[in-house]
Amino acid sequence: DAKTTQPPSMDCAEGRAANLPCNHSTISGNEYVYWYRQIHSQGPQYIIHGLKNNETNEMASLIITEDRKSSTLILPHATLRDTAVYYCIVRVAIIQGAQKLVFGQGTRLTINP
Amino acid sequence: NAGVTQTPKFQVLKTGQSMTLQCAQDMNHEYMSWYRQDPGMGLRLIHYSVGAGITDQGEVPNGYNVSRSTTEDFPLRLLSAAPSQTSVYFCASSYSTVSYEQYFGPGTRLTVT
Repeated sequence: DAKTTQPPSMDCAEGRAANLPCNHSTISGNEYVYWYRQIHSQGPQYIIHGLKNNETNEMASLIITEDRKSSTLILPHATLRDTAVYYCIVRVAIIQGAQKLVFGQGTRLTINP
Repeated sequence: NAGVTQTPKFQVLKTGQSMTLQCAQDMNHEYMSWYRQDPGMGLRLIHYSVGAGITDQGEVPNGYNVSRSTTEDFPLRLLSAAPSQTSVYFCASSYSTVSYEQYFGPGTRLTVT
């Protein structure tokens, strides 16, 4: 399974852009990069995903390097409600086509007022 | 839609007792899965199901059984609880095995003494 490496914690000021890095140097050509977040004690929440191109939705932007060995999640204007653990995940296809999300330890992002 | 629901929210068991963690979704999702979350370990996949009548093992299946008799329900059974099964358990579902977004329930916090 392709593994991901993230910094254990980061801080960001409210209103600024939060940039969360992720290394996935062993990713295969057909594996997607997913980002989820987990706000204290709640179930994880999907944020965004991508394969090769940069992606943007209402929550965040995902920048994937050309060699696909790393990516960055960008929260453009962080608010206090964005304080959470952010997981960078590589989806791994398994038998019967069922997906497996391999969660690492994530980055604990703290947004400071 | 209620989304993914889990019961109970909290449970304390004695070693050797058995119990069932309930999971239900009302979104007509084919794919459902169970994860456990332990401090410093991220989320680990226990069992998953690609549809009614079909289940398979994830990364850490020992000590757990599952069944999927309906599309809506995916209960997780602890056969003989052990202190090592103290954890927070999350159920997740998605429309299909290749859906980008998985929806997680609120979790069940289980303590085995």
